[in-house]
Amino acid sequence: AIHLTQSPSSLSASVGDRVTITCRASQPIYTALVWYQQMPGKAPKLLIYGASNLEGGVSSRFSGSGSGTGFTLTISNLQPEDSATYFCQQFNQYPLTFGGGTKVEIK
Amino acid sequence: QVHLEESGGGVVRPGGSLRLSCVATGFSINAYAFHWVRQAPGEGLKWVSYIRYDGNDEKYADSVKGRFTISRDNAKNAVYLHMESLTADDTGFYYCARVDDGCDVWGQGTIVSVSS
Repeated sequence: AIHLTQSPSSLSASVGDRVTITCRASQPIYTALVWYQQMPGKAPKLLIYGASNLEGGVSSRFSGSGSGTGFTLTISNLQPEDSATYFCQQFNQYPLTFGGGTKVEIK
Repeated sequence: QVHLEESGGGVVRPGGSLRLSCVATGFSINAYAFHWVRQAPGEGLKWVSYIRYDGNDEKYADSVKGRFTISRDNAKNAVYLHMESLTADDTGFYYCARVDDGCDVWGQGTIVSVSS
């Protein structure tokens, strides 16, 4: 199975900051990677698909990049409503796998 | 409005069975594949199972293979997950999710608790 390593596992940043989360795959997955945001007690919400494509209705402050084994999710101009846990997921092969998550807190 | 609603969760003893349902409203499931994803309390997300849009392909995580069965009834606009021989490790929230460039629509989840 493809292992996804997310880092950091948690971070604390201020409103207006630029935040970057990394997801590293144990083998190449091309651009078959998505990012989700999960608020406490809620279902995940799709933010980015195909590594870099913004899902409809998602704020342009979110952006994704990468291919192969290295991927990043960037949140620009961090806002209080961005406080959540973020997960990457690979769709390259079964079993599908998720990263361990990154909890983003606002200072 | 596009919506998925899961049901069928509950408390069950080890070795027991449950059948989860995921009913779609606001769209027809005919053209979509679906996943089931679970999340143990306070933990991350774990993929469980997949079914193709026509029901002719299914996939399972190794941990549930032989115990869980995914199915769908396009006429009822619903996807199901039949779970047998449940263990404490199966405890968690179970979400169904529509597949469209990632999982673009999720239900609110149904909780499964396996406990003696």
